[in-house]
Amino acid sequence: QSALTQPASVSGSPGQSITISCTGTSSDIGGYEYVSWYQQHPGKAPKLLISDVSNRPSGVSNRFSGSKSGNTASLTISGLQAEDEADYYCSSYTSATTRVFGGGTKLTVL
Amino acid sequence: EVQLVQSGAEVKKPGESLKISCKGSGYNFIHYWIGWVRQMPGKGLEWMGIIYPGDSDTRYSPSFQGQVTISADKSITTAYLQWSSLKASDTAMYYCARYRATNVMDVWGQGTTVTVSS
Repeated sequence: QSALTQPASVSGSPGQSITISCTGTSSDIGGYEYVSWYQQHPGKAPKLLISDVSNRPSGVSNRFSGSKSGNTASLTISGLQAEDEADYYCSSYTSATTRVFGGGTKLTVL
Repeated sequence: EVQLVQSGAEVKKPGESLKISCKGSGYNFIHYWIGWVRQMPGKGLEWMGIIYPGDSDTRYSPSFQGQVTISADKSITTAYLQWSSLKASDTAMYYCARYRATNVMDVWGQGTTVTVSS
């Protein structure tokens, strides 16, 4: 099971929007509506941002949104804030009933 | 409050065995899958496997199958990750997390640092 493919880094200025892609296959992202996204600040445990492709848990800012098209999922952050600077990971359920993470994307707020 | 509390940092030598723990509280432990995630220094998250404490049904990533053992003791609401013979490459932070749904890790432990060095 190969890791999902994410860009290593993205950047944006405060107030801008950015999108992080997460590409898999028809055996994971493309086959199920079970994509989740996590945010991790340095030295901290990951935090759930998005579940089941586009659902935002209670307490997560509505500046975060998720979507999926084919084998690619996306996380969009609008109105970038300094506190959004962190690592972001996607995850998918797989046909083998396991789960897989993406390689992670470092977001820099300029 | 729903929480997962992991055991403390470990420093071990190559070849030694180790078992780290993840204690759940504030919810019905046997009804939620618990997953384990590795994060090597400066690297990304890697999914290792999951266990359903209710019946100990366990799934492993192919990358970790045979390398670690995941178990749970529902009587004390604790999940475990163990190694029979550690390698230097096992040096990492290990997280446990609760699965609220099929692929939704909604509550995470604080992490356990494992250092393997001669």
